[in-house]
Amino acid sequence: GQNIDQPTEMTATEGAIVQINCTYQTSGFNGLFWYQQHAGEAPTFLSYNVLDGLEEKGRFSSFLSRSKGYSYLLLKELQMKDSASYLCAVVNQAGTALIFGKGTTLSVSS
Amino acid sequence: KAGVTQTPRYLIKTRGQQVTLSCSPISGHRSVSWYQQTPGQGLQFLFEYFSETQRNKGNFPGRFSGRQFSNSRSEMNVSTLELGDSALYLCASSLVGGKGWNTEAFFGQGTRLTVV
Repeated sequence: GQNIDQPTEMTATEGAIVQINCTYQTSGFNGLFWYQQHAGEAPTFLSYNVLDGLEEKGRFSSFLSRSKGYSYLLLKELQMKDSASYLCAVVNQAGTALIFGKGTTLSVSS
Repeated sequence: KAGVTQTPRYLIKTRGQQVTLSCSPISGHRSVSWYQQTPGQGLQFLFEYFSETQRNKGNFPGRFSGRQFSNSRSEMNVSTLELGDSALYLCASSLVGGKGWNTEAFFGQGTRLTVV
């Protein structure tokens, strides 16, 4: 089976840094995605990790440790528009589907 | 380049009825996946199609079915609707790499289904 855990809610203030953790237990591993979803909108791609280490993309970075079954998404210089749900998803063994965690709702306040 | 298009955007149906949702993928994308999103369960995988073949299926009852056409457009059908089927249904399209694995999934805006 597959199990993906991430915190339900997080809060932070503008300009701060926040780290959203994701732990997973899967049979086989073919990569991990992070998506952002604003209320009422479609999820949009943020990052993809398949090898251990840090991937940086502007204000967003994502880290993966396959041996620990652990990933995090790091958001720097938070802005109000970063208030959204952040979804961690693991690629299934066949490489044909994404298995999602329940998402972390981030609220950024001024 | 047009994104993933889902129709209709909103739908209200009565228990026991059936419904068909449509998804047009990004041009050139041959894999289409369907997900159900609810506040309690998050995004749950329904099924995935590539070249008109279902390659993978999630843990949903047989009332949920789908198909893909030769132009990669896909439909999903839910028969004998139940109140618990009320959800946002998201479709995603992907390119398929050399190993047959999907690359990054691009999501449509979804169809909001309400069963009363």
